[in-house]
Formats: sequence, C-alpha cells, structure tokens
Amino acid sequence: QKEVEQDPGPLSVPEGAIVSLNCTYSNSAFQYFMWYRQYSRKGPELLMYTYSSGNKEDGRFTAQVDKSSKYISLFIRDSQPSDSATYLCAMSMGAQKLVFGQGTRLTINP
Amino acid sequence: EAEVAQSPRYKITEKSQAVAFWCDPISGHATLYWYRQILGQGPELLVQFQDESVVDDSQLPKDRFSAERLKGVDSTLKIQPAELGDSAMYLCASSQDRGDEKLFFGSGTQLSVL
Repeated sequence: QKEVEQDPGPLSVPEGAIVSLNCTYSNSAFQYFMWYRQYSRKGPELLMYTYSSGNKEDGRFTAQVDKSSKYISLFIRDSQPSDSATYLCAMSMGAQKLVFGQGTRLTINP
Repeated sequence: EAEVAQSPRYKITEKSQAVAFWCDPISGHATLYWYRQILGQGPELLVQFQDESVVDDSQLPKDRFSAERLKGVDSTLKIQPAELGDSAMYLCASSQDRGDEKLFFGSGTQLSVL
C-alpha cells in the first residue's frame, strides 16, 4: 500500500463547476500538506500549503486537512479552463522528503 | 520572479550511453532536490542536498546515478549507463532551507532512452 493515495482520474467538469480533489494517507506523522499544480511538460507549481489540520483559503482555492481521518482535499470554485492540469497532493513530516500522490488529471470544459 | 533553471529541456539517448542534467536553484536557496517523475505518477525523491552536502540519497540507484553540488549552488545529475527504464522527467527543486517545506520546481528534463 502506498503512503499517499490519490485517484488519478481523469476528471472532466464543465466551466464554473466546483471541483473536489482528494488524497488519503497512512502515515500519521505527516504534518505538512501541500497541493501542487502541474501543467503538461512543466514542473509542479506550489498552489496551497497547510500545516497540521484545518482549512486554508486562497482566492478560488480551499485546502482542507482532516488528520483524524488522514484525508486532505482541495476545492476549486468557479473553475476555469485555465485550471486544467494535473493536481498533485504532497505531504511531509518536516525537514523530510515530500511524499507525492499519483496526481489527478483535471479538465475544465468551456 | 526567480526560477529554478534546468537544462536541457529534452534529452534523447541510447541505452548504455551517459547523460547529464544541470540545475541552477533559486539564488540563496540552500536546499536542492532531484526528483524523478515517471509518466502518470507523482515525483519521487532521488537525492537531497543541503548546501554542498548530501542529506538523503537513499532512493538514488548508486550503481548508475551520481549527483554533485560542488560549490553549494548549481548541481549536476548523471546517469551512466542509461537504461530503458530511466525514461522519465527529471525535476530539480529548491527550498530556502532544509526546514522549509515549500519547494520550487524547475521545468524538468524529459529523458527518453531508446
């Protein structure tokens, strides 16, 4: 079993929809949780960064961490075609290597 | 905006040949990482440097891979000899310091081994 599980999709939604992306993990020592966005043939770009449990909002993006359930989510409101990308969750124990999920490929249809 | 620079962007080689990738991190970033990303998967850490020292190379296949960061700035990752299974995107990332979990990635080198 992988430390971090993420549904690879693909996920296709119409423009303006609310998108929900999720990851589960098995290592309760993870403290730092991140979401990266990766466009085709590009490197990952840090989108959201959360320490421990709770919610964090940045514009149309909201990240949620539920450590009791070992479950993290990323919500995208009013989705745009430019949001079409692969979304990677990542987590670490602090000063340790990031462990990435497989990535979810998302397409927003105009 | 400061970026992590990587070259080349694409590399095609034949198996058993040697290849090398170069990375220049964001100025002032002490920690440098090399990741490998196979198509359809998330990146996996190969090696982590703190300044010029290796702090984690547990996942680096040392029989064929080597990495160096001699002056604690730019870095080179080498594969010799390349194998078909090495085809992947090789990503370099940097962070301000070892305790900083915010990594900034370069655009990567896409390696194809024929």
